[in-house]
Amino acid sequence: TQLLEQSPQFLSIQEGENLTVYCNSSSVFSSLQWYRQEPGEGPVLLVTVVTGGEVKKLKRLTFQFGDARKDSSLHITAAQPGDTGLYLCADHHGSSNTGKLIFGQGTTLQVKP
Amino acid sequence: GAVVSQHPSRVICKSGTSVKIECRSLDFQATTMFWYRQFPKQSLMLMATSNEGSKATYEQGVEKDKFLINHASLTLSTLTVTSAHPEDSSFYICSATSTSGRVNEQFFGPGTRLTVL
Repeated sequence: TQLLEQSPQFLSIQEGENLTVYCNSSSVFSSLQWYRQEPGEGPVLLVTVVTGGEVKKLKRLTFQFGDARKDSSLHITAAQPGDTGLYLCADHHGSSNTGKLIFGQGTTLQVKP
Repeated sequence: GAVVSQHPSRVICKSGTSVKIECRSLDFQATTMFWYRQFPKQSLMLMATSNEGSKATYEQGVEKDKFLINHASLTLSTLTVTSAHPEDSSFYICSATSTSGRVNEQFFGPGTRLTVL
């Protein structure tokens, strides 16, 4: 069974600071997704990465996918209070055809004004 | 596009009663819907996979007689928590995959907060 480990589990920083969140898999990712979830709401997809070594940017967020496709990082530049939330990495379970997602345990980010 | 709704958003019930949660895809047809539960400060745990017109597939450790899932149409799936107990209190989230567009792209509902007294 694939395991996704995220680190750190909790992060509290001041507005304007930079941060990096990591996601490591016990096996090669099928297609890695990053989500952000705000309290009392469902997760919202931020990005999907498929190719080893891939880098994607979404405004102040930079997503990197490891060459071996077993690890990924999410870097936020100049964090803002609106970035506060639970960040989840996820992979499709086994074959992508099942549609099932496995989630990491999440990183709770708090950005203080 | 690709909006998923859940109803109710919050529900409080007495121990021993049953609660039904609805998951609807508002602007697309969903061949498959997934049900997750999430405890405070924890990640999403998949409970079951629901395919339209067929029986749901439950994950290991999830009691199918306690969590009844019905997927009667391409836009609606329901989760019924039967004989609810306080330990069933959780945040229940559904997601749906579209019959068209990107394969296996899941769209999540806003969740339902269940509190069992």
